[in-house]
Parts: sequence; C-alpha cells; structure tokens
Amino acid sequence: GAGVSQSPSNKVTEKGKDVELRCDPISGHTALYWYRQSLGQGLEFLIYFQGNSAPDKSGLPSDRFSAERTGGSVSTLTIQRTQQEDSAVYLCASSLVGRGGKQGRGNTIYFGEGSWLTVV
Amino acid sequence: RKEVEQDPGPFNVPEGATVAFNCTYSNSASQSFFWYRQDCRKEPKLLMSVYSSGNEDGRFTAQLNRASQYISLLIRDSKLSDSATYLCVVKGGYNKLIFGAGTRLAVHP
Repeated sequence: GAGVSQSPSNKVTEKGKDVELRCDPISGHTALYWYRQSLGQGLEFLIYFQGNSAPDKSGLPSDRFSAERTGGSVSTLTIQRTQQEDSAVYLCASSLVGRGGKQGRGNTIYFGEGSWLTVV
Repeated sequence: RKEVEQDPGPFNVPEGATVAFNCTYSNSASQSFFWYRQDCRKEPKLLMSVYSSGNEDGRFTAQLNRASQYISLLIRDSKLSDSATYLCVVKGGYNKLIFGAGTRLAVHP
C-alpha cells in the first residue's frame, strides 16, 4: 500500500496477556517511530529506528515493552503481561530521511491509523 | 517542565474568526518545527513545517521565534472543517520528534 499500515486495528486483551502490534512502513522509508496516545492525551514517544543504527529506546515505559525491526522494514511492538494502563492507541510512523536529515518534504513523518489496544 | 508545551484549549471561535496558537519548547538546540493536525480518533497529519523566516500556506501562517523559543500558528477566516486538535512538534536530538499535547479548536457556525 501507499501508506503506513498497522495491524491489528483493534485489539482487546485480558490483563496479563502478551500482545504484538505490527507496523509496515512506507516502502523506502528508513526511519520508523512508535508513539502511544492515551485518550485525550498527547503523543508519547516510545522508540525510534533509523536504518542499521541502534534504536533509540528511551521512551519505552517499562521492560514489558520491546520492539524490533526486521530487515529494515516491518516492525513489531511487543507488550508483555499487559496492564490496564497500557490501554491506548499505538501509532507507528515512518519517514524517508532519518538522522541528520534536512528540513523539507523528505523529513515529513507519516502515521499509520494506529492499533487501538484495550486491556480488560 | 515538558519539552513542548501547548495551551490545551479548547478554543471556541465562530466561522470567519482569526485564531492563534502558541507553543513553547525547552531545548534551545532544536532545529526543526512542525504543526500537525489530528482529527478525533484519527492519526496526526502534517499541516505545515515551520521555517525560520516564517511561512504561509493559504489561511495558515506559522512563525518561529528562536530567542523566546516559541512557535505560533495563525488561522485566518476559520472554517468549520478547521475544527481539530493542532499538535506542535519539535525535532530533538537524533531526529526524535517530540509532540505537544495539542490545542483543541472548535469552530462553530
């Protein structure tokens, strides 16, 4: 597809279960981001991948959260032992230009529609 | 102190009004700035980049004040369709984009 694709679009899970959220970025985009947005709140940075560089994991809220990006393309965000406070929409974004990029269209990040996670 | 701060609003304005939002950022080394728009239960979408010299796109004008570390967005002749949340975005170190919590705008007839 032409845009960032995320799956599942909606997920309801029981507290304590593990979940995996998938992101398929725009083809050719080297930078990939994960953000989290709770209802009525702003976007919270989680993790950033840029090419083959070590990811910036500084936003991951706990060690229950992890993410990987295979082959420089698809990324999976995993939440282990989910808690109710993990309920949020998880947004993935990608951009053409990553580290050190110049301002301009290539630096624009495009978001997927998000994965809406509800922990019950 | 948050890295990017915005007045959450809501700003309730009539159609045709001019409305302005400000956003302040804490990292003086920040180099790139953007305004994103987010509709209810939708993903954010780029509205416009903010350049040092200021820039205009139709009814929208963005300004950057580096000395005071703030960014502004001016919307002229507001339309009902402008109702949304406007997110101020600052690029921090290593290309990490930091989002403000957003300012809600409601344009009424």
